[in-house]
This record gives sequence, structure tokens and C-alpha cells, in this order.
Amino acid sequence: DTEVTQTPKHLVMGMTNKKSLKCEQHMGHRAMYWYKQKAKKPPELMFVYSYEKLSINESVPSRFSPECPNSSLLNLHLHALQPEDSALYLCASSQDSGRNTGELFFGEGSRLTVL
Amino acid sequence: GQQVMQIPQYQHVQEGEDFTTYCNSSTTLSNIQWYKQRPGGHPVFLIQLVKSGEVKKQKRLTFQFGEAKKNSSLHITATQTTDVGTYFCAPRENNRLAFGKGNQVVVIP
Repeated sequence: DTEVTQTPKHLVMGMTNKKSLKCEQHMGHRAMYWYKQKAKKPPELMFVYSYEKLSINESVPSRFSPECPNSSLLNLHLHALQPEDSALYLCASSQDSGRNTGELFFGEGSRLTVL
Repeated sequence: GQQVMQIPQYQHVQEGEDFTTYCNSSTTLSNIQWYKQRPGGHPVFLIQLVKSGEVKKQKRLTFQFGEAKKNSSLHITATQTTDVGTYFCAPRENNRLAFGKGNQVVVIP
């Protein structure tokens, strides 16, 4: 069982839709992450939030908009996506995001299909 | 970002046999983590290595960090069907955890 909860587990959306992915953790972690994973590929880092502030944006297109309402929640707002954005979106958290950060705890992911 | 090469990318292992997967970098790593992702699952943390020459064991799994901190390995003994999955090494650099391409392991009963 994972202590990072992601909803929805599956999402199908059209290219003109607006949707959001949600992530929640109650471990008191201060760093939260969004990763994108295509089939048979490794997870690719998208965003890092540290103490509720965006600390890393890996040049992600603006059609992906992250939001961290509080230390337990992380959202990813989706708008005008392309079919190639279809992937598994993984949320993760860690105690901190500094040099000596320990493990990342991953959620089960939200599998997104863009039609 | 930090580039690491994982070798091999694919392995078919007979149940009961041992296997090793390697992670190599051209530059010195500050630390490295290993994750396992089962088919259809999410990455799960296995270990973090920080010190030069460090060796850590978890039951049938042995993790090593090279003396120069440029390579790491994971050795699994007496492979079981539950070992199936993709093993990723992930060096940490500049507050980023970047995954290698992974070693997909198929276990043959």
C-alpha cells in the first residue's frame, strides 16, 4: 500500500478539455513531485515543490500547470493537451528536497489518455 | 542532468539463479538510489547509497557503490518470480532525482 494517494486512477480527456490530477500525502513530507512516465520508459521529472513553493520546473509546457494548495496536497491542472501527453503521471513525496533527501514515496499514478 | 547508463536493459533470468544489474556514470555521484517497479505498478524505493565503497544487503539483494562513486550495482541471489520488474538506479543531483533507463527483468519459472 502506498501512503501517497492519487486521483483519478484513470482519466480520458479530449484535447479541448480542462481536467486536474490530484495527489495527497499525510506523512508530513515537505517536498512533492510530479513525474511523467511513458510505456517502457523511466519516470521523467516534471515539477518539484519544496515547502509549498515551486522549486523546479523541468521546462514543462504551460498546458501543464502545477499547484500546491498546502503541504499535503499537490494538483496538476491539464488544459489543451495533445495525444502525445498520454502517459502515467506519478506523484511522489519526500521528507525534504535537499541534498540529503531520503526516499521518494510514489503514488500509484494517474493513467491519462488524451484523445 | 546526471546521465547514468544501466546495463543490461533487459534480462531473462531462470528462477533460482543469480543476476546483477549495473549503473554507470561518467561523473562522480553524490549519492544514488535504487527503485523497483513491478509491471503495472509504481516505483518503490529499495536503497540509498552515499559512501564510497558502501555495501548494503537486504535479504537476497546486495547493493554496492563503487570506490570512485561512479558506479553502482544490484546483485540478486536465488531469483524468485516476485523479483520480476524493472530496476532503476537514480542519482540525486541538484535536488533532482533522475532515473536511469532501467533494467527490465523477466523471471523464467
